[in-house]
This record gives sequence, C-alpha cells and structure tokens, in this order.
Amino acid sequence: DTGVSQNPRHKITKRGQNVTFRCDPISEHNRLYWYRQTLGQGPEFLTYFQNEAQLEKSRLLSDRFSAERPKGSFSTLEIQRTEQGDSAMYLCASSLGASGRPNTDTQYFGPGTRLTVL
Amino acid sequence: AQSVTQLGSHVSVSEGALVLLRCNYSSSVPPYLFWYVQYPNQGLQLLLKYTTGATLVKGINGFEAEFKKSETSFHLTKPSAHMSDAAEYFCAVSPSSGGSYIPTFGRGTSLIVHP
Repeated sequence: DTGVSQNPRHKITKRGQNVTFRCDPISEHNRLYWYRQTLGQGPEFLTYFQNEAQLEKSRLLSDRFSAERPKGSFSTLEIQRTEQGDSAMYLCASSLGASGRPNTDTQYFGPGTRLTVL
Repeated sequence: AQSVTQLGSHVSVSEGALVLLRCNYSSSVPPYLFWYVQYPNQGLQLLLKYTTGATLVKGINGFEAEFKKSETSFHLTKPSAHMSDAAEYFCAVSPSSGGSYIPTFGRGTSLIVHP
C-alpha cells in the first residue's frame, strides 16, 4: 500500500492556460474523489468515480472542469482557461466501497496539487 | 441542505491538557459524521467516524467523539494533548438518506500545543 499519489505537487500557470492533474489511488480502491481546498477553508467536494463511472458532480465543477478515470485506475482533472479564482489545493482521495454509496467509506487522501494561477 | 460549523479557528492548549474541538452540524436528518486530521504538507487522515450504533466513537491517537443528536454536535476530545497533536482538524458530514453523496467539511480548527 503506497498510498494515494498526486502529480504534480505544485503547478504555476498563467490565466487562460489549461492544466491537468493526475491522481493515482490505492491500487485496489474502486472509488476516487476530487476536492478543492482554498486557504482557510475545508475541502469542497467536486466529483467522484466508482470504477470508471463518474457518479456525482458538484455544482462547483463548472464547464471548464473535466475529470476522467478511463480504466478505473488513475484519474485526471483538467481545468481549461484557468482563472485566478481557480488557485487552490486540489485533493484526491480513494476508498474501497462494498455497499451502494460511498457515504460511510473511509477515504484516504493524497497530499494534493497546489495550483497558482497568475 | 447540510452544513458544518467548527467553533474556533484556533485552539491552544498546554501539553498534557484536555483537547476539545467543537463541531455542530445542521441537517434535516442526522448525517454520518467524521473527523479528519491534516498535518503540514500531508493529506487528510481519518481520525474517527460515526455511522450507526454506539454514540461514543473511539479513534486513532487517543481521540474520541460523541454524537449528541439533541445538540446536533460531534465534538472531538482527547484527555491529554501531545506536541505531536498539533495539526489542522476538520469535521465533516455526509448524507445518511436520499440518493446523493456530497460531503460537507467544516472550515477547520488549528490545534496549537504549548510545551
């Protein structure tokens, strides 16, 4: 068990550029989650996958955001036409869930990718 | 809609003193409840959770929390603080009914432990 890994750990970009983050979950975990955390705030849920299916998306996930988990293993989060308001820590988590919904799952978090939009 | 309030953005205690971090929730139906800890430059780690059963929940590192439905609270306690407990603590809830899974986190409480 190597834990959840995220790459890159830091990303600085200029406004209007596209960025992509990668998350590698714990290998046997079937569920994967993305969150956003800004300074002084708790994590805000963005979306989650069960295997390769994206089952829920927050209203925070605007049209500029897209997430994929094509083979049910790693996931990518892309932000198009970045804005300064996108500057935040993007967290990924994974869990192994047997029941229908992840509401009681124990989630394991990665260290995050810190995005700075200039 | 559900919400979480963590009273006090910073809590300062002396080493060996009682730790009490407060969490209140608002939800039409009692939700599932979680406490996470975040050390600098690390991911969040689950301390404990309440889903069903006994309302006093014991977690890792000597922490425990009690679900009090009448007070809509889930406060986190530890009898004796260690220097290593200094970190950011987050209370979170997820729906226990309905078809949605969207968790809500509090804004966090920074625990400072003085020697």
